[in-house]
Amino acid sequence: AQTVTQSQPEMSVQEAETVTLSCTYDTSENNYYLFWYKQPPSRQMILVIRQEAYKQQNATENRFSVNFQKAAKSFSLKISDSQLGDTAMYFCAFMKQGDDKIIFGKGTRLHILP
Amino acid sequence: GAGVSQTPSNKVTEKGKYVELRCDPISGHTALYWYRQSLGQGPEFLIYFQGTGAADDSGLPNDRFFAVRPEGSVSTLKIQRTERGDSAVYLCASSLYHPMNTEAFFGQGTRLTVV
Repeated sequence: AQTVTQSQPEMSVQEAETVTLSCTYDTSENNYYLFWYKQPPSRQMILVIRQEAYKQQNATENRFSVNFQKAAKSFSLKISDSQLGDTAMYFCAFMKQGDDKIIFGKGTRLHILP
Repeated sequence: GAGVSQTPSNKVTEKGKYVELRCDPISGHTALYWYRQSLGQGPEFLIYFQGTGAADDSGLPNDRFFAVRPEGSVSTLKIQRTERGDSAVYLCASSLYHPMNTEAFFGQGTRLTVV
């Protein structure tokens, strides 16, 4: 069975700083997808970034980028120039290719301080 | 609507009662998912619909939980004989086909509290 582990329950950084959220996963699959979701107090899960395991190049979306280390089964999220609106829960997630269910970690609560 | 809509936003019910949670997906989205998010946890998969049929219901915890999508759009998650352990946020998501082809969009969830 696949598992996703987020070792940082909570983090705080000053506005405009860079922050990195950690995620490791365990799977015997070779083809899969990894995601980072943001969940603000509104409870709506918002896709931040996704990575296909077959791609060596790390995904980037504006201020958000990932460091995908397939051999180490590590998938960290870097947020550059953090903004107050980035305050939220962040979930790392995994999906096996061809499957229909996303497996989420327990989340990291991120506070951006003014 | 522009996004996935879930009603009610909050629901308080007494132990042993029956509840229904509704999900209106984005128009045209054939795939629909239900997840349950307990306090302090990430969402856990419950069931996946492709059109009207439940393609994967392996996440439903027991036979008190049931979901339908009779016309391939709106879905209802039904919970019989509710227990305090059922208290959680129930999230619905939809996508055009499979989430690997297109992004899955989530609603804001229904917070169910069983007292």
